Amino acid sequence: SYVLIQPPSVSVAPGETARITCGGNNIGSKSVHWYQQKPGQAPVLVIYYDTARPSGIPERFSGSNSGDTATLTISRVEAGDEADYYCQLWDSSRDHWVFGGGTKLTVL
Amino acid sequence: QVQLVQSGAEVKKPGASVRVSCKASGYTFTSYYMHWVRQAPGQGLEWMGLINPSGGSTSYAEKFQGRVTMTRDTSTSTVYMELSSLRSEDTAVYYCATPFSGREGAFDIWGQGTMVTVSS
Repeated sequence: SYVLIQPPSVSVAPGETARITCGGNNIGSKSVHWYQQKPGQAPVLVIYYDTARPSGIPERFSGSNSGDTATLTISRVEAGDEADYYCQLWDSSRDHWVFGGGTKLTVL
Repeated sequence: QVQLVQSGAEVKKPGASVRVSCKASGYTFTSYYMHWVRQAPGQGLEWMGLINPSGGSTSYAEKFQGRVTMTRDTSTSTVYMELSSLRSEDTAVYYCATPFSGREGAFDIWGQGTMVTVSS
């Protein structure tokens, strides 16, 4: 089965840039989505189809996907960005949806 | 507005079954697939399966095959997820979510989640 690997944690100071990676075999050939989840809340879509941003999501959130790594980039990080972030894709070979293990973003 | 409202928390004994509902509003219910995702305490997200509200066809993750059943009631715009032979490892928050950009698309809208506790 297709596996997505995320670092368990990323820490960044306010105003800096956070980069959260999602690794997978030739993930650049697939479409990756990203979700933000704050404690006690349902996940919220922040990036879809690698780079698209839903309405209401700040421009500070961006995504890229190439080779074996997809990346969620959060510029000018704010305290309110502290959350768990999950990558996700559709594994067409098995018609299954796969989530990465999640990355806890800590704003120092 | 578009929203998914799920049923309330459940406490079940091992071996029992649980049925969680997810009522859709604000959009055409039969036009978009519905997925179910669960999250054990302190753990990540796990995809369980999906249902096509239009025809009722389903696709389940291999892990849950034989234990999960997803159904829908178009008259009330509600989908149901039933999980049987519950064990302690099934203790989790269960979410419904729908992709507006197509069957394989991102999950745009999520329900608020339903906590299911399995305990003797």
